[in-house]
Amino acid sequence: AQKVTQAQTEISVVEKEDVTLDCVYETRDTTYYLFWYKQPPSGELVFLIRRNSFDEQNEISGRYSWNFQKSTSSFNFTITASQVVDSAVYFCALRGSGNTPLVFGKGTRLSVIA
Amino acid sequence: SAVISQKPSRDICQRGTSLTIQCQVDSQVTMMFWYRQQPGQSLTLIATANQGSEATYESGFVIDKFPISRPNLTFSTLTVSNMSPEDSSIYLCSVSSSGSYNEQFFGPGTRLTVL
Repeated sequence: AQKVTQAQTEISVVEKEDVTLDCVYETRDTTYYLFWYKQPPSGELVFLIRRNSFDEQNEISGRYSWNFQKSTSSFNFTITASQVVDSAVYFCALRGSGNTPLVFGKGTRLSVIA
Repeated sequence: SAVISQKPSRDICQRGTSLTIQCQVDSQVTMMFWYRQQPGQSLTLIATANQGSEATYESGFVIDKFPISRPNLTFSTLTVSNMSPEDSSIYLCSVSSSGSYNEQFFGPGTRLTVL
């Protein structure tokens, strides 16, 4: 069975601080895909990144960066110089190959205080 | 990519009634997924809807409570039957592509409140 664990339920930081959101996953599939989504207070799910299991390169997109480590089954997300607009719930998710559904972690609520 | 629309966007319903949520995709997809997000919780898969066959339900969800229709490759409905306040949630429709990009797309959600 597939499982995603986001151990941090809530995080609060002061604006301009860096923050890392942890994600640990479990799967028996050799091919799988990892995702991060942002859910602002308005409720829609905003896609942030997708990573496949064969690509362990870290990725940076503006203030966002992701660290994928298969050895520890982790896919952590770092926001650099956080802003108030980053306040949201962030979900890490996992799916296997083919037309399989996403399995979500419980989410981490990030509050960035001005 | 796929663009997904859902109707209604939100509704307030009385206990014991039923609501049908529609999901429309702008391209043909094999599988559609229905998720529920209870207040303050994560997304939980309700069922997978494959065109031309019965939906497959996850543990804890049954067809009598959440009947699903999938009449064609671009449309699906989820009905929440005999509603109770515990059914108050956001219901989201989702599709995936099995091509090289393996995208996962979500509709905007239907926010349901049951009084």
